[in-house]
Amino acid sequence: NAGVMQNPRHLVRRRGQEARLRCSPMKGHSHVYWYRQLPEEGLKFMVYLQKENIIDESGMPKERFSAEFPKEGPSILRIQQVVRGDSAAYFCASSPIQGALASYEQYFGPGTRLTVT
Amino acid sequence: TQLLEQSPQFLSIQEGENLTVYCNSSSVFSSLQWYRQEPGEGPVLLVTVVTGGEVKKLKRLTFQFGDARKDSSLHITAAQPGDTGLYLCAGDMNTGTASKLTFGTGTRLQVTL
Repeated sequence: NAGVMQNPRHLVRRRGQEARLRCSPMKGHSHVYWYRQLPEEGLKFMVYLQKENIIDESGMPKERFSAEFPKEGPSILRIQQVVRGDSAAYFCASSPIQGALASYEQYFGPGTRLTVT
Repeated sequence: TQLLEQSPQFLSIQEGENLTVYCNSSSVFSSLQWYRQEPGEGPVLLVTVVTGGEVKKLKRLTFQFGDARKDSSLHITAAQPGDTGLYLCAGDMNTGTASKLTFGTGTRLQVTL
């Protein structure tokens, strides 16, 4: 049973370029979350999506960042015109359908480490 | 404002010792999860606690959720080098629906021979 998959694992971008981070949730999971971990800081929530819907984007920066979870395919976190401050590890997590204890549990992928030069 | 404070921030102990990590908040959480994160990897879920006063055991690890659901602790008995890692608590404030997690500040544990 494959876990949460993220790619690429490492991404290097120059200032001003775009970064696209992909996340495939665990099989049977319908909720996807994105978190960011800055160097020497904790994990911070960015956005929570279900298929074709953004449920909570209270942690997303207002500009340059967007996320989607289409009906088919992985969830995408897109960062436009990257700056050095965007360098961080970006983690995706997924959780199963609501209605049971398991709905509280989020399972994380290995992360994408973005470096902006 | 950090909603979940963990202590200690760093802990270096020898193999065989016992230790306790604390996760404290002034807010009430509907559930709390503990994760361990290795360098270069994502957090791995260890346990979820949902009931005030609940105690769960996972081999040498004992997790407790406070009666008021504002705090939690992780106790490791007879620590081993394989326990080395970053321990994170994370709380969920919503009841009955999936929602974002608020992570603690983390406790970095090193166990030496």
